[in-house]
Amino acid sequence: DAGVTQSPTHLIKTRGQHVTLRCSPISGHKSVSWYQQVLGQGPQFIFQYYEKEERGRGNFPDRFSARQFPNYSSELNVNALLLGDSALYLCASSLSSRDRSYEQYFGPGTRLTVT
Amino acid sequence: AQSVAQPEDQVNVAEGNPLTVKCTYSVSGNPYLFWYVQYPNRGLQFLLKYITGDNLVKGSYGFEAEFNKSQTSFHLKKPSALVSDSALYFCAVRDIQDFNKFYFGSGTKLNVKP
Repeated sequence: DAGVTQSPTHLIKTRGQHVTLRCSPISGHKSVSWYQQVLGQGPQFIFQYYEKEERGRGNFPDRFSARQFPNYSSELNVNALLLGDSALYLCASSLSSRDRSYEQYFGPGTRLTVT
Repeated sequence: AQSVAQPEDQVNVAEGNPLTVKCTYSVSGNPYLFWYVQYPNRGLQFLLKYITGDNLVKGSYGFEAEFNKSQTSFHLKKPSALVSDSALYFCAVRDIQDFNKFYFGSGTKLNVKP
């Protein structure tokens, strides 16, 4: 089975632009979460979606938004990019959002550089 | 609020020696704890988890972790380190009240020297 896939792998944007990152979960997984990992730090939770609904949100500004599609893939959108948005953006999927014993499986990430 | 702390930025160990990567947690209630490993330019890979039951949890690649409630710790261990174990290791805890959220530690870089 294919793991979690993310696209693009790398991205360079200019301040003020917007960006869309994409994620496809493992087949059968209905929950997708997004994380931001700044260099030298652990991943920070941004959003969690389950069955196309937002189920959790971290401490990120409204410039960050996401959605989940009927096939459970997801997009993360960031508007009005700032230099501080430069990071590795990780997508993780899990079977369910209702069972706290389920671990998350991570994709390889999208490296976003804002200049 | 739930949180985990990894007190060591880096751990150095010789190949064949036992290794320990430390993690302490702060949660209100029973913790759900996880260990992940990250290789360069890669996403995080799941190693093991503690939900309930035995305090010694066995995971992938020969790793194990010991849950200690009195010391609020969840240290990652391996009896004999391999050079290929060199990577970045993250401890994580699932939020008790909003279990859609995971909180990660800052990471510990493990260096295994031949």
